[in-house]
Amino acid sequence: QVQLRESGPRLVKPSETLSLTCSVSGGSMSDMYWNWFRQSPGKGLEWIGYVYHSGSTNYSPSLRGRVTISIDTSNNQFSLKLTSLTAADTAIYYCARRGRSTSGWYQGIDYWGQGTLVTVSS
Amino acid sequence: EIVMTQSPVSLPVTPGESASISCNSSQSLFHSNGFHYLDWYLQKPGQSPQLLIYLVSDRASGVPDRFSGSGSGTDFTLKISRVEAEDVGVYYCMQALETPFTFGPGTKVDIK
Repeated sequence: QVQLRESGPRLVKPSETLSLTCSVSGGSMSDMYWNWFRQSPGKGLEWIGYVYHSGSTNYSPSLRGRVTISIDTSNNQFSLKLTSLTAADTAIYYCARRGRSTSGWYQGIDYWGQGTLVTVSS
Repeated sequence: EIVMTQSPVSLPVTPGESASISCNSSQSLFHSNGFHYLDWYLQKPGQSPQLLIYLVSDRASGVPDRFSGSGSGTDFTLKISRVEAEDVGVYYCMQALETPFTFGPGTKVDIK
């Protein structure tokens, strides 16, 4: 069973950089897209971006310029960095896997971490 | 980006009865490979979202067959037959045709 777990600070000051790590267990990181999502308090879900196992990335235009997602397959981890934080970045951050069948077909965002609440406040 | 809408916003249901949620996209979710890239997720209270349905109608592993998806183009439906108490939560549709992936605003299902 694949499991994902987010780790990182719960409180970050405005203008600073958020760094979160997602640890993956129970499965290989190969041939998969590894995603970050967030959910502001009481709000809906927002896709932040993904990193492929090769290291290629794709980011949401609304965050491009502030976000970097990287992967460390040797340690079964991938990470999120978000710069120039404001109160609007306060949210639960989820890491998640985009699933695929053995023949490569899309199978949804099939595994999610439990989420970590990050508060941006001085 | 593709804008997703859902209705209703809130859906009180009686256990044992059926329920339907609609999802619409601002453009077709049809891919040249023949599939529509539309998923359904359920977020139970205090939990992460969980995948129910992908590619319009394929149930994720372990999802009961009470859940079914249908639709094409820009109009999609999630149906829950024989609703159970454990089905309460917020249901989201999400398009995965192109980035940025985008979600509907959610439909809150609770028990009458």
